[in-house]
Amino acid sequence: QKEVEQDPGPLSVPEGAIVSLNCTYSNSAFQYFMWYRQYSRKGPELLMYTYSSGNKEDGRFTAQVDKSSKYISLFIRDSQPSDSATYLCAFPPPGGGADGLTFGKGTHLIIQP
Amino acid sequence: DVKVTQSSRYLVKRTGEKVFLECVQDMDHENMFWYRQDPGLGLRLIYFSYDVKMKEKGDIPEGYSVSREKKERFSLILESASTNQTSMYLCASSRLGGASTDTQYFGPGTRLTVL
Repeated sequence: QKEVEQDPGPLSVPEGAIVSLNCTYSNSAFQYFMWYRQYSRKGPELLMYTYSSGNKEDGRFTAQVDKSSKYISLFIRDSQPSDSATYLCAFPPPGGGADGLTFGKGTHLIIQP
Repeated sequence: DVKVTQSSRYLVKRTGEKVFLECVQDMDHENMFWYRQDPGLGLRLIYFSYDVKMKEKGDIPEGYSVSREKKERFSLILESASTNQTSMYLCASSRLGGASTDTQYFGPGTRLTVL
């Protein structure tokens, strides 16, 4: 079983739609959960992070974590063409430390005007 | 504004050449990372460093080495480039402290093609 599973897409939706992006993970020791956004020909940038199970909202974005199911989601409300990007879930090393993040493969999202 | 810069956006090299990819950050971060990003495989950690002259292997270190002589600079070295090292290379940095929510800031990437 792969450590992180994420559908690569592409996921194409019309402007204004609600978008749901998801990752499943197998390592129950993961404590923090991040979403990075990567525009074409750019490096990833942190969008949101969460710690506990439940929801965290930031503007049009909501991150949801279900630790019991090892499942995280990112919802985008009122999607805009500028949201078109690749979205990567990311997991810091359990216990902290300087190690790198474990990334999902990323979902390529296209918002059609 | 935080900044991670990489020496080249695009690079074309021949098989067997020695290749240097440079990364500089201006945020006084202790941690620096090199990833490669490939379609269908996502981002994979090659090496990381948590201090000057310190380095640790990531998930795919084979065929690569790194150098960190100064805090702000982290170099990735391909001793003898091969075609399977054609990829997008991303450098990142973060501050030390063990806080797992510390953001990793990424550079724009270097797209390396090995012919």
